[in-house]
Amino acid sequence: DAKTTQPTSMDCAEGRAANLPCNHSTISGNEYVYWYRQIHSQGPQYIIHGLKNNETNEMASLIITEDRKSSTLILPHATLRDTAVYYCIGRGNTPLVFGKGTRLSVIA
Amino acid sequence: NAGVTQTPKFRVLKTGQSMTLLCAQDMNHEYMYWYRQDPGMGLRLIHYSVGEGTTAKGEVPDGYNVSRLKKQNFLLGLESAAPSQTSVYFCASSYGTPQETQYFGPGTRLLVL
Repeated sequence: DAKTTQPTSMDCAEGRAANLPCNHSTISGNEYVYWYRQIHSQGPQYIIHGLKNNETNEMASLIITEDRKSSTLILPHATLRDTAVYYCIGRGNTPLVFGKGTRLSVIA
Repeated sequence: NAGVTQTPKFRVLKTGQSMTLLCAQDMNHEYMYWYRQDPGMGLRLIHYSVGEGTTAKGEVPDGYNVSRLKKQNFLLGLESAAPSQTSVYFCASSYGTPQETQYFGPGTRLLVL
C-alpha cells in the first residue's frame, strides 16, 4: 500500500470550504485513494474514494492530481459537526492501514 | 438495519483475566475486521476474516485470537489480558474485497489494570 503524508492539524472557519491535502507519491496504478473520518471517539466513517478521476458525493469532493501523487479532500461548506480526524489511505487489495490523519477543527 | 454492533461497550479487566469481544453485522458482508486504537494514534489491524470459517493476521495479532463461526459474527478473544492491551477496539465489515467501503462499529473501551 502507498505511504501517505498529511498535515497534523488544520483549522477552518464555519461555512467556508475545508481543503485537506494528502501526499501519496508512491501510489501505484491500481491503488485507490480512500478518505475516512473519525468524529471524537466514534468508529471511522467512510467519506469518499477515487482512482484517477475527481469524485463527488453528498459529503465531499475528491480532487486527484493528474500524476496521482497527491489529492485534496474538499468539504464545501464546513460545519462544526465536521470537526474530526480525517484519514487519507492509499490501498490496493489489502486491508486498510490508518495513519495519524489530519485533525480538522471547524471554528465558529 | 443495525449495521455493525459491538458488545460490550466498556469493560475493566484485571491482568491475566480473559474475555471475548463480540462483533455482529446484519449487512451480509463477507469481510470482517478487528482494529485497536491507542490514544492519539491511528487504527491498527489486529485480525481479519475473508469469510465464514476463515481468519488472518493483521499488523498487531499477538495476544489475541479470533473466530468466525457464523458469517454475521466475528469474535475477538484475549486469553490473558495485559495492561498493554488497554485500548479502544473497533470492528468493521465490508461487502466484498478489502477495497470495498468498510463500515465500523461504535467501539469497545477496554481497561486492563
